[in-house]
Amino acid sequence: SQQGEEDPQALSIQEGENATMNCSYKTSINNLQWYRQNSGRGLVHLILIRSNEREKHSGRLRVTLDTSKKSSSLLITASRAADTASYFCATDAGANNLFFGTGTRLTVIP
Amino acid sequence: SQTIHQWPATLVQPVGSPLSLECTVEGTSNPNLYWYRQAAGRGLQLLFYSVGIGQISSEVPQNLSASRPQDRQFILSSKKLLLSDSGFYLCAWDTGTASYEQYFGPGTRLTVT
Repeated sequence: SQQGEEDPQALSIQEGENATMNCSYKTSINNLQWYRQNSGRGLVHLILIRSNEREKHSGRLRVTLDTSKKSSSLLITASRAADTASYFCATDAGANNLFFGTGTRLTVIP
Repeated sequence: SQTIHQWPATLVQPVGSPLSLECTVEGTSNPNLYWYRQAAGRGLQLLFYSVGIGQISSEVPQNLSASRPQDRQFILSSKKLLLSDSGFYLCAWDTGTASYEQYFGPGTRLTVT
């Protein structure tokens, strides 16, 4: 299966700290995306990184991609209580669909 | 701007009853459309996707079916629900271009009793 695996499954931090989540996948990809899901809601796209990119920033988000290790990380800096959500990576290998990981549940304690 | 609608938001159905969930997209044409299921605390499982009217691809064998009667309408159905059909159903779309960024609806929480 191409499905990504996020690590850790759950993460609890204090507000203001940085949160790092990791994603590993199994096959070659065209791009990797990160999504956020608030409890009981749909997913929201955060950032996309292409296979020829190594790092990308968007606001307080920093994503890295290591295609040799088939892994990616999502860093959220200066976390806020509103960042509490589940975060999913999704890989695209050129087919018509994305393969989603199992998610990291982030809790930011005020 | 584009929007995606799903209804109903929640649904409680007895085993053996039929199911119809609807998803519509506004503000775009010829989208790719997707149905996912998410079990509690788990990732997303792709059920169906469609690249055009009447074109449905199924990812996993199951008790469900999908139809796309109009360009921006995607329907998930079942003739007889099973307990294992309970879950959170999400509809999504993308433009079908190389970016593959998907836009999700608010989801339907289905409980089969």
